[in-house]
Amino acid sequence: QVQLVESGGGVVQPGESLRLSCAASGFIFSGYGMHWVRQAPGKGLEWVAVIWYDASNTYYADSVKGRFTISRDDSQNTVYLEMSSLRVEDTAVYYCARERQPYRDYPYMDSWGQGAMVTVSS
Amino acid sequence: QSALTQPASVSGSPGQSITISCTGSRSDICSYDFVSWYQQHPGKAPELLIYDVTKRPSGISGRFSASKSGCTASLTVSGLQAEDEALYYCSSYTISSTLTFGGGTKLTVL
Repeated sequence: QVQLVESGGGVVQPGESLRLSCAASGFIFSGYGMHWVRQAPGKGLEWVAVIWYDASNTYYADSVKGRFTISRDDSQNTVYLEMSSLRVEDTAVYYCARERQPYRDYPYMDSWGQGAMVTVSS
Repeated sequence: QSALTQPASVSGSPGQSITISCTGSRSDICSYDFVSWYQQHPGKAPELLIYDVTKRPSGISGRFSASKSGCTASLTVSGLQAEDEALYYCSSYTISSTLTFGGGTKLTVL
């Protein structure tokens, strides 16, 4: 079955960097677009970034553009979120999620990880 | 990338039906039929309920239905059950090739 496991969360100070990883299994990873979605404590969902199945395109929310980078390593079945210049308002649970259909840009996420907590605090 | 507008809360008694609205703009819902709905129980990851405005993934109850008119999408939950109590989020593709979520609606089953 599809499994997504995030790792790399933790506590950092404002201005520091952190890299999240999401290890995928149970499906042909290289065929699917992957997203990162975050949820601040007690708040709603906020879409963060997407990388297409062939890595030909990446898109970001305005709130993280220029600071966050999404990438993938199909040989490791892993998607990453490199976060730099972190701010207090980046504090959230970060979920990775898989798109519903392979080999196309299809903006629906049908499998989600359990989330990784990132806390930015001085 | 403005969030879509949802009511903060809705409620209904078991067996009743409720509808949650989701209003967007020309940058998202008005211009695309890539609308989806997610359900999230406390402490859990979201689950895809509806995609392509009206379609249900396999395994999702037929009590969940959805529609779109102009710039407003709607989710209807029929025959309310206790397990439907959760947060519900709408989402839309945007003109910037990004996604945007609504602020979320808490459904309370009385």
